[in-house]
Amino acid sequence: KAGVTQTPRYLIKTRGQQVTLSCSPISGHRSVSWYQQTPGQGLQFLFEYFSETQRNKGNFPGRFSGRQFSNSRSEMNVSTLELGDSALYLCASGVGTGADTQYFGPGTRLTVL
Amino acid sequence: AQKVTQAQTEISVVEKEDVTLDCVYETRDTTYYLFWYKQPPSGELVFLIRRNSFDEQNEISGRYSWNFQKSTSSFNFTITASQVVDSAVYFCALTGGTDKLIFGTGTRLQVFP
Repeated sequence: KAGVTQTPRYLIKTRGQQVTLSCSPISGHRSVSWYQQTPGQGLQFLFEYFSETQRNKGNFPGRFSGRQFSNSRSEMNVSTLELGDSALYLCASGVGTGADTQYFGPGTRLTVL
Repeated sequence: AQKVTQAQTEISVVEKEDVTLDCVYETRDTTYYLFWYKQPPSGELVFLIRRNSFDEQNEISGRYSWNFQKSTSSFNFTITASQVVDSAVYFCALTGGTDKLIFGTGTRLQVFP
């Protein structure tokens, strides 16, 4: 089975712009979660989607949003980028029955200049 | 609130040494799940093990073993006869039954030849 894929792998944006990241889960997985990883804050949960519905949300401002499509693929959007949004954004997929093992993609490294 | 503490920021060993990575957790949930992930320099989080709160049996998988002790709220990870390829950052994580993972700050393991 193919693993979790994320596109693009690298992005460079400037402050004020917006960005959309994409994640394709493992075939058959219905849950997609997003995490932000920075040197200062470590790995932090952003949100989780299951069957096109947001099931959990972390403590991030409203500039961070996401959605999930009927094929379980997910996108994450960050509007009005700030320097502090520079991070590795990791997507994980799971079967979706709660507390399942989550399998992570390679991440998208976002740099905001 | 849930919390995971990995007090060891960085560990350096020489190949073939045994090494133990510590993980201490806090949760009020009676049912919870613990995980270990490995993050090599490529950035992708690689799943190693999942353990639920009702299963205190230690587990061994090749050179890897895990010691789960509810009495001390610890879930430690031991690598026997370490190899250079084991060099990575290792994360311990906790969830209470949702797909939201709470991660520790990670332990960077460097194995020198």
